[in-house]
Amino acid sequence: QQQVKQSPQSLIVQKGGISIINCAYENTAFDYFPWYQQFPGKGPALLIAIRPDVSEKKEGRFTISFNKSAKQFSLHIMDSQPGDSATYFCAAPVPNDYKLSFGAGTTVTVRA
Amino acid sequence: GAGVSQSPSNKVTEKGKDVELRCDPISGHTALYWYRQSLGQGLEFLIYFQGNSAPDKSGLPSDRFSAERTGGSVSTLTIQRTQQEDSAVYLCASSFSGTSGIEQFFGPGTRLTVL
Repeated sequence: QQQVKQSPQSLIVQKGGISIINCAYENTAFDYFPWYQQFPGKGPALLIAIRPDVSEKKEGRFTISFNKSAKQFSLHIMDSQPGDSATYFCAAPVPNDYKLSFGAGTTVTVRA
Repeated sequence: GAGVSQSPSNKVTEKGKDVELRCDPISGHTALYWYRQSLGQGLEFLIYFQGNSAPDKSGLPSDRFSAERTGGSVSTLTIQRTQQEDSAVYLCASSFSGTSGIEQFFGPGTRLTVL
């Protein structure tokens, strides 16, 4: 089974600051690493995903970095805004399976 | 277009009662997943459907939990003889195909409270 370890559990950042969330995985059959964003009372929604034939993917203020040798990937939220306050989940494919294994989540609070 | 819908949005029940939670996936999505999210926790996989069949029920916590899917569309998660530890948000997701490299679209969840 795939285990995905996510840190930190929570973080507080000032408006305009950078939020960084890290995830580590054990094994994967192929490289697809999505990040989901969840607001209170809502289901998670795909935020950004990387298929690492590249080591970095950027979409607006959100960037995924991937280090295959270290089996780690991270989400950077640049110029954090109060509207970014949410819980973020990383995920990784379970080898030889159809499931995603999710990290425990990081609650991000952006203070105005 | 319509996303994944779940009903009810909230369910309060007494310990020992049975509950049914419904999921309407996005039209055309062949794969459907059920997850459980306890307060402040991550997503716990329960069961996966490909079409109407459930090749993997390994995440169901006990034999009190069951699920079915009909017509390759609507799915129902049933919890019999509910216990207080069943209290959680139950999330349903669907995807175009049952491979883990495909985006899963989540519904808003059903918040279950067992008194």
